[in-house]
Amino acid sequence: EAGVVQSPRYKIIEKKQPVAFWCNPISGHNTLYWYLQNLGQGPELLIRYENEEAVDDSQLPKDRFSAERLKGVDSTLKIQPAELGDSAVYLCASSRGRGHIGELFFGEGSRLTVL
Amino acid sequence: DAKTTQPNSMESNEEEPVHLPCNHSTISGTDYIHWYRQLPSQGPEYVIHGLTSNVNNRMASLAIAEDRKSSTLILHRATLRDAAVYYCILRDSNYKLTFGKGTLLTVNP
Repeated sequence: EAGVVQSPRYKIIEKKQPVAFWCNPISGHNTLYWYLQNLGQGPELLIRYENEEAVDDSQLPKDRFSAERLKGVDSTLKIQPAELGDSAVYLCASSRGRGHIGELFFGEGSRLTVL
Repeated sequence: DAKTTQPNSMESNEEEPVHLPCNHSTISGTDYIHWYRQLPSQGPEYVIHGLTSNVNNRMASLAIAEDRKSSTLILHRATLRDAAVYYCILRDSNYKLTFGKGTLLTVNP
């Protein structure tokens, strides 16, 4: 079974530029998460999707961050414009769906460096 | 969000057992206790979870205190590949996982 796939693995941009990250969850997983991880810290939830519905986006900075999961499968997280403080690892995770208490499967993450 | 408290770091020797503690005194009756670990340059990896009873799987054991205010992750024989940051997390009724800083486990050969 293929795991959660994220791209790109690494991205270096200058501040004020836009950037997008893509995530393909495990097949059949209805719940998709985007987390942000700063150096030395644990991951912080940005947004959670149940199928194509964003059910928890309270931590997403909506002035510059946006996300979509149009067909309830893969998802894109966008930052526009990027700021120096956005340098971090962006992690995508998936799980079977609402009501499933078990494990989340994480991708390897996309490391963003903003210069 | 319910909070957990873990030591910042712990050290162990290879092939010895490791007991990683976690305090969660504000846990509610419906919160599940989850453990994840994160190896360098990788995403977090699920280890184990439980509600009230102790749990065992191929990776580890989870011992939960009777009052559920604390738990311990047990690695029965640490290997060098177990060196990672271990996160103890309470998963609430909204299925939300809130990570803390975790415990950095160092395994000495």
